[in-house]
Amino acid sequence: EVQLVESGGGLVQPGGSLRLSCAASGFTFSNYWMHWVRQAPGKGLVWVSRLNIDGSTTIYADSVKGRFTISRDNARNTLYLQMNSLRVEDTAVYYCARGNHEAFDLWGQGTLVTVSS
Amino acid sequence: QSALTQPPSASGSPGQSVTISCTGTSNDVGAYNYVSWYQHHPGKAPKLLIYEVTNRPSGVPDRFSGSKSGNTASLTVSGLQAEDEADYFCGSYAGSNHYVFGAGTKVTVL
Repeated sequence: EVQLVESGGGLVQPGGSLRLSCAASGFTFSNYWMHWVRQAPGKGLVWVSRLNIDGSTTIYADSVKGRFTISRDNARNTLYLQMNSLRVEDTAVYYCARGNHEAFDLWGQGTLVTVSS
Repeated sequence: QSALTQPPSASGSPGQSVTISCTGTSNDVGAYNYVSWYQHHPGKAPKLLIYEVTNRPSGVPDRFSGSKSGNTASLTVSGLQAEDEADYFCGSYAGSNHYVFGAGTKVTVL
């Protein structure tokens, strides 16, 4: 089955760190750019970051630049998001998504990150 | 980049059509033919309905159609069905390798 499965979310204090994972299956992971997108409670989707197929080029939204790091392990078919210096406003469901035609053609079900003291 | 503007809600009876607008700027929706639409049932994975303004991925019914005029894109759902009740988001490439989404429209099937 073609799918993406996120994990690693949870409750963390402001200033803390968390690493999210996204396991891909059913397709050739190394052929696709990959993204992270988040949705704060009651809000819309917000694009977070993009990574090219070999992991050499990373792009970030201004709101997370310098704090978040996107990476991938093509041998393990896994995408990561290392989140440091977390803020209350980073609280959201985080989705990984496959990029295609400048759209997002496959999504996971998301993992919830709550930043609170 | 600011979020794209969508109406918060839309509704229609079964069999009717509903159209959702998505307004951006000349830097995103108006600049590129890279507008996409997503259906999201809460708690589930979002699903791509339309890419590159008008194209449907395989498996998406032709009841879903997209268009664009200037800085505003639209999604039309024809022949509304109960399972179409969901949140719908638009997205656009915004240049400089960035992307922007709308805040979402909740569609209710009356």
